Amino acid sequence: DGGITQSPKYLFRKEGQNVTLSCEQNLNHDAMYWYRQDPGQGLRLIYYSQIVNDFQKGDIAEGYSVSREKKESFPLTVTSAQKNPTAFYLCASSDPLQGLYTEAFFGQGTRLTVV
Amino acid sequence: AQSVAQPEDQVNVAEGNPLTVKCTYSVSGNPYLFWYVQYPNRGLQFLLKYITGDNLVKGSYGFEAEFNKSQTSFHLKKPSALVSDSALYFCAVRVNTNAGKSTFGDGTTLTVKP
Repeated sequence: DGGITQSPKYLFRKEGQNVTLSCEQNLNHDAMYWYRQDPGQGLRLIYYSQIVNDFQKGDIAEGYSVSREKKESFPLTVTSAQKNPTAFYLCASSDPLQGLYTEAFFGQGTRLTVV
Repeated sequence: AQSVAQPEDQVNVAEGNPLTVKCTYSVSGNPYLFWYVQYPNRGLQFLLKYITGDNLVKGSYGFEAEFNKSQTSFHLKKPSALVSDSALYFCAVRVNTNAGKSTFGDGTTLTVKP
């Protein structure tokens, strides 16, 4: 089945550690996105990529980094510079060739907790 | 800048009654509007979208939404609510001048009681 796979489902980070969240899609979509979800704040865009080897900062990029070396993969690294990383992280993709009216497809999320 | 407002954090309805989840938007240009649903600890699932044409859009699971350009609204509706409809609902908007990025509302928690 086509879809987006995020791993791990739960992740625990110690203070000062970098952690990487995985996002893989087999939908052949060019565009991929990372969102952060906090209670009562909806989804906030961290980074997005419209094509391989290119990505752009979203609204809350500080303390995060990404890479897009393959079309299928868009990993997110939460660095020690991110002071409040505990949140639910969602990866999404869409097919911009279908136009702006195409919906986004979401992974099942990774819940990151700082311990 | 584009923005979306979901004025109600919580909506409670009885099973079998009609439900409405409100959404208003602010954009420059023509909006593309979407509704998504999220169950606990899961990703978002697409419900329906408005692109152009008929203002009443029908989607998955019996949901529909009405686009009102003059009121800049895109309210989600269902004629008869089910307990299984209880979830978090998000409205989102896109315009063609913002690199295709979506802006999401803060979400509305729908609770349907038996």
